[in-house]
Amino acid sequence: TQLLEQSPQFLSIQEGENLTVYCNSSSVFSSLQWYRQEPGEGPVLLVTVVTGGEVKKLKRLTFQFGDARKDSSLHITAAQPGDTGLYLCAGFENTGTASKLTFGTGTRLQVTL
Amino acid sequence: KAGVTQTPRYLIKTRGQQVTLSCSPISGHRSVSWYQQTPGQGLQFLFEYFSETQRNKGNFPGRFSGRQFSNSRSEMNVSTLELGDSALYLCASSLVVAGFGNTIYFGEGSWLTVV
Repeated sequence: TQLLEQSPQFLSIQEGENLTVYCNSSSVFSSLQWYRQEPGEGPVLLVTVVTGGEVKKLKRLTFQFGDARKDSSLHITAAQPGDTGLYLCAGFENTGTASKLTFGTGTRLQVTL
Repeated sequence: KAGVTQTPRYLIKTRGQQVTLSCSPISGHRSVSWYQQTPGQGLQFLFEYFSETQRNKGNFPGRFSGRQFSNSRSEMNVSTLELGDSALYLCASSLVVAGFGNTIYFGEGSWLTVV
């Protein structure tokens, strides 16, 4: 079973600060996705990265996929209270006839005024 | 368009009972996946259905089962409930195969408490 470890587990910062969340695995994934989940809701897809070394930007969020496709990071610039939530990375495994997403352990972010 | 709908949203069951959860995917989506989310274990894959066939299954005991109907709606069943089954059960749908190149959409989940 492939495992995805995220760090840190919890992060409490003030509005305007920058932060980075890491997602690491000992295995290679076909692609990696990042989700944000708010209380009482299901996870919502933020981005999918496919190519090793790929960098994608979504407004103040920057996602990077490691060269070896085993790790990824999410960097948030000038965090806002609306960024509060549980951030999950998920690796996609494609066995040809079946597929599934393996989710990371999660990073709970709280941004205060 | 309407999102993924899960029912019921909240339920309380007693140990030993069984429970059935329902999921209606986004119209046109043929793939439905189920996940269990707990504070200790995080989000864990239960199974995926596509066109009424189970394509993949996670590492859960046989007490957990599911099925998909011809209209893509899906149900999951947990028999002989244990306290450790208390969790948020999430359903997700996608057009084709979940994951690579395809966006999956999650429902709001069904909160199950076993007492």
